[in-house]
Amino acid sequence: GENVEQHPSTLSVQEGDSAVIKCTYSDSASNYFPWYKQELGKRPQLIIDIRSNVGEKKDQRIAVTLNKTAKHFSLHITETQPEDSAVYFCAASDSGYALNFGKGTSLLVTP
Amino acid sequence: DTGVSQDPRHKITKRGQNVTFRCDPISEHNRLYWYRQTLGQGPEFLTYFQNEAQLEKSRLLSDRFSAERPKGSFSTLEIQRTEQGDSAMYLCASSPSGVQGERGYTFGSGTRLTVV
Repeated sequence: GENVEQHPSTLSVQEGDSAVIKCTYSDSASNYFPWYKQELGKRPQLIIDIRSNVGEKKDQRIAVTLNKTAKHFSLHITETQPEDSAVYFCAASDSGYALNFGKGTSLLVTP
Repeated sequence: DTGVSQDPRHKITKRGQNVTFRCDPISEHNRLYWYRQTLGQGPEFLTYFQNEAQLEKSRLLSDRFSAERPKGSFSTLEIQRTEQGDSAMYLCASSPSGVQGERGYTFGSGTRLTVV
């Protein structure tokens, strides 16, 4: 089955700096790669996603890049703000229904 | 809130007892999923329904776990003879079907199970 590795497990940045989180996946059949943000005690929420026919997607301060050859994808957050502090999960799907999640990155943005 | 609802929010049970959780999906969504999340980990897929049919079940799901979605609306997840290793957050999600189904995931707030 699909195996998703996520790094780093914790990330601390100063407000205004950029943050980058990286994931690798094992199944070349995976074709959908979402990123979820989970604040403490709350539900995971989709923040951005990308399909395998696209190399990059941007939505305001967040962007995702995908390298299918290397089987890795990354989340980029620019101009970080304290409210960006949360746990971020990457995921990959090869089935059309189940998501295989990474272990998460705890991002702390300090003022 | 017209999102995905889960009940109860918290459940503490003694080892060996049976527990049942309920999930009410977004009404227009015909796909429903159950995931389990332990501390410091990402959600793990357990099972999914298309309407009332259970179409996939993870190998992680032992025989003590059973899920139903009898009328294609709400779903229940039952754990029999609970063990301490079952302690986790149980998340339900729903989505529309079709190629955008996996994109339209909406998660509930989860049921936190503690087995003592």
